[in-house]
Amino acid sequence: EAGVTQFPSHSVIEKGQTVTLRCDPISGHDNLYWYRRVMGKEIKFLLHFVKESKQDESGMPNNRFLAERTGGTYSTLKVQPAELEDSGVYFCASSQVESGYRGYTFGSGTRLTVV
Amino acid sequence: GNSVTQMEGPVTLSEEAFLTINCTYTATGYPSLFWYVQYPGEGLQLLLKATKADDKGSNKGFEATYRKETTSFHLEKGSVQVSDSAVYFCALKNNQGGKLIFGQGTELSVKP
Repeated sequence: EAGVTQFPSHSVIEKGQTVTLRCDPISGHDNLYWYRRVMGKEIKFLLHFVKESKQDESGMPNNRFLAERTGGTYSTLKVQPAELEDSGVYFCASSQVESGYRGYTFGSGTRLTVV
Repeated sequence: GNSVTQMEGPVTLSEEAFLTINCTYTATGYPSLFWYVQYPGEGLQLLLKATKADDKGSNKGFEATYRKETTSFHLEKGSVQVSDSAVYFCALKNNQGGKLIFGQGTELSVKP
């Protein structure tokens, strides 16, 4: 079974530019989560999709962040325009059932550096 | 609100040393508790979990016991190896919703 795939693995962009991160969950996993770890701090929840619907987006920091999951398959997280404080590692995870901690699978993350 | 606090790193140990990484939590209700590990260049992996008070999670020689009275879930290993070098994250999940609440991570470096 293929795991959760994220790309790019690294991205360096200038302040004010736009970046789009992509996450391909495990096939058949309806639940998809985005998390972020900034500057060696805790990993923070950003949002949760159930299929193509946003179940919980309480962790999205501001309206410069836009997440989509068209068709309930892969998801994108766009940052526009990027700011220095957006630098960090963005993780994606998927699971088959919402409360199924057994089923969480994380991707390797995208390291975003805004300069 | 819910939160997780774990000891700051980095932690540097010699091979075969005893490891403890402290983790305490604040939560409403009865959360499930987890330890995740991130090896260099890899994604987060579930290391162990406990779903109710006094449960002990264990895997790969690591153990952690869910202590409700002290709201703690400390990670221990009797004899660490160089291959255990990684970042360890303590996390909780309430019964409502699927999101995880993480601590800040503890980097462990094991020297030969």
